[in-house]
This record gives sequence, C-alpha cells and structure tokens, in this order.
Amino acid sequence: EAQVTQNPRYLITVTGKKLTVTCSQNMNHEYMSWYRQDPGLGLRQIYYSMNVEVTDKGDVPEGYKVSRKEKRNFPLILESPSPNQTSLYFCASSLQAASTDTQYFGPGTRLTVL
Amino acid sequence: GESVGLHLPTLSVQEGDNSIINCAYSNSASDYFIWYKQESGKGPQFIIDIRSNMDKRQGQRVTVLLNKTVKHLSLQIAATQPGDSAVYFCAENPGGPGTYKYIFGTGTRLKVLA
Repeated sequence: EAQVTQNPRYLITVTGKKLTVTCSQNMNHEYMSWYRQDPGLGLRQIYYSMNVEVTDKGDVPEGYKVSRKEKRNFPLILESPSPNQTSLYFCASSLQAASTDTQYFGPGTRLTVL
Repeated sequence: GESVGLHLPTLSVQEGDNSIINCAYSNSASDYFIWYKQESGKGPQFIIDIRSNMDKRQGQRVTVLLNKTVKHLSLQIAATQPGDSAVYFCAENPGGPGTYKYIFGTGTRLKVLA
C-alpha cells in the first residue's frame, strides 16, 4: 500500500531533550515536506526537500533540522525542543516538486513539550 | 481525536442534503488551488483541485467553484453522507507554475446529521 508513515504518533517530552520524528514514504517520491498544524492556523511549512541531499527552509524553520540522506526518509530533528514546538506535525510527499503534484500526507505526530 | 479542530467554523448539514464550504484566498496571483479533507486523527487527504484558468471542476460528488474576481473558492458536496464529516480546508499556490509552496486555510468543520 502506497503511504507516508510517521513515528512516533504521539510523544511527550521535556524542554531541551533532543528528539527525532521519522518520516518514510514508499512511493519513490522526490519531494518531501514537513508541516506543523496549530489551532487557528493553517498548515505551516517547516522544511522541504526536492530530492536526496537537497533541503530548504519553509516558513517556520527555527528550532528544527532535517536531513535527506535517502529518497524514502525525511526525519525531522528538534535539537532542543521548547514548549512553543508543541504541535501536530505532518510529513508529506509528492512525486516531484511541481505545483500540481498531489501531496500525500502522513497520519501526523502529536508532540507535547513540557 | 486531534485538537486542531478547536474553534473552527462549523457547518451542520442533514444527511442527504448538499453541502457548500467556502474559502477566501489571499493572493490574486495564485494559480492553483486544492481542497483537502482531514478526518479526526488523520492527515489531510486530497479531494479535488482546480487551476486558475477554470471556473468549475467536478469530481465524484464534489464540485469546486473558483471566483477570481472576489478571490473565493467553494467546495460543494452532493448528497452529503456521514463519512463526509471532517474538517475541510483549501490551499492556494501563490507562486505560479513550477513552484511548490502553499498557503493553507484554517478549515471548516462539516458535521453530518443523521
């Protein structure tokens, strides 16, 4: 089944404790992206990657890092999480970085930073 | 379920009736628009898209209307079913062909009454 998977689905952590949220897609997609979703706000893009070893900042990159060492995986790294990073995170992928390519979203990761 | 739906405008519709969900977009230069459906605890799911050179596009039980004059997008769902209950939001691509950044709306919650 074609899908985007994220792990963990739920995570409660404390300020400053480094964490990684994994994202994997099995569709051989070139483009991958991370979003956060907060009440009253639309999805906001954190980072995106157009292909292996090519990443760039989205609209809200502060406090996050990403890597794209292989095509299928695009982990999101929070080196020193803070409470304002408490949010619902979605990973998405599309075949290419074209405006009309459908983005497929993962199921989300609910992160709480205490 | 996830809490991103708090404080969203809600549309309540009787099962079998038609639903109309509206979206005002922000950028007059946007040339591509998407409607997403997000069920509780899941990631956004593509429903239908439309390019700016069209006024209307139909899918299975769904129709998207685009009014560029007033920067307004609507999603019509025919014969609404309980499975249509979800949060619906629009996205616009403000960057023109070949770009891949989106502005996402905050969404409308659709409740289908039995």
